[in-house]
Amino acid sequence: ETGVTQSPTHLIKTRGQQVTLRCSSQSGHNTVSWYQQALGQGPQFIFQYYREEENGRGNFPPRFSGLQFPNYSSELNVNALELDDSALYLCASSMGPRSRYGYTFGSGTRLTVV
Amino acid sequence: GENVEQHPSTLSVQEGDSAVIKCTYSDSASNYFPWYKQELGKGPQLIIDIRSNVGEKKDQRIAVTLNKTAKHFSLHITETQPEDSAVYFCAATRSGSARQLTFGSGTQLTVLP
Repeated sequence: ETGVTQSPTHLIKTRGQQVTLRCSSQSGHNTVSWYQQALGQGPQFIFQYYREEENGRGNFPPRFSGLQFPNYSSELNVNALELDDSALYLCASSMGPRSRYGYTFGSGTRLTVV
Repeated sequence: GENVEQHPSTLSVQEGDSAVIKCTYSDSASNYFPWYKQELGKGPQLIIDIRSNVGEKKDQRIAVTLNKTAKHFSLHITETQPEDSAVYFCAATRSGSARQLTFGSGTQLTVLP
């Protein structure tokens, strides 16, 4: 059974650019959630995807968007990058969208905006 | 929305001693409380969780207690080992269409040999 895999592991972008991060969910998991973890902080919920649709969103602006594909993998897109977007971006998959299902986190993508 | 506070931010213990990390939450509707361990360069790993219909749960050296009235929950690690050194996060969420976890700010646990 494979876990959650994220790519790339590290990325450096310039302010104003756009970035796409990718996530493959754990086998058997149909729900993907994205979190942003700033240095020294706990992860913050960005949004969740279930059945290829956004199923809940945290306090993040519209320039953060996502997709989920029929194989349950997902992308996180961030437009017009700002310096404060520098963080570890975590993907987590689960067997369903509700709290009785456990999350499995990937190791994250470290994004640096310069 | 939910707010989770976690204390202490750093904790050093001698190998074999116990460690306790405490969290408080603000939303009385929260009913699921997981704890995660994050090692350097890795994502958070679920180590134990508790639901609001239970007051205590134990798994070998790890236990979690929940006081719904006071809205706080705690992680207890007994007989600590150097491999327990990591950042620990508490989190809280309520049932709903999206399980948005609200995390605490983390506790850096160092177990000294």
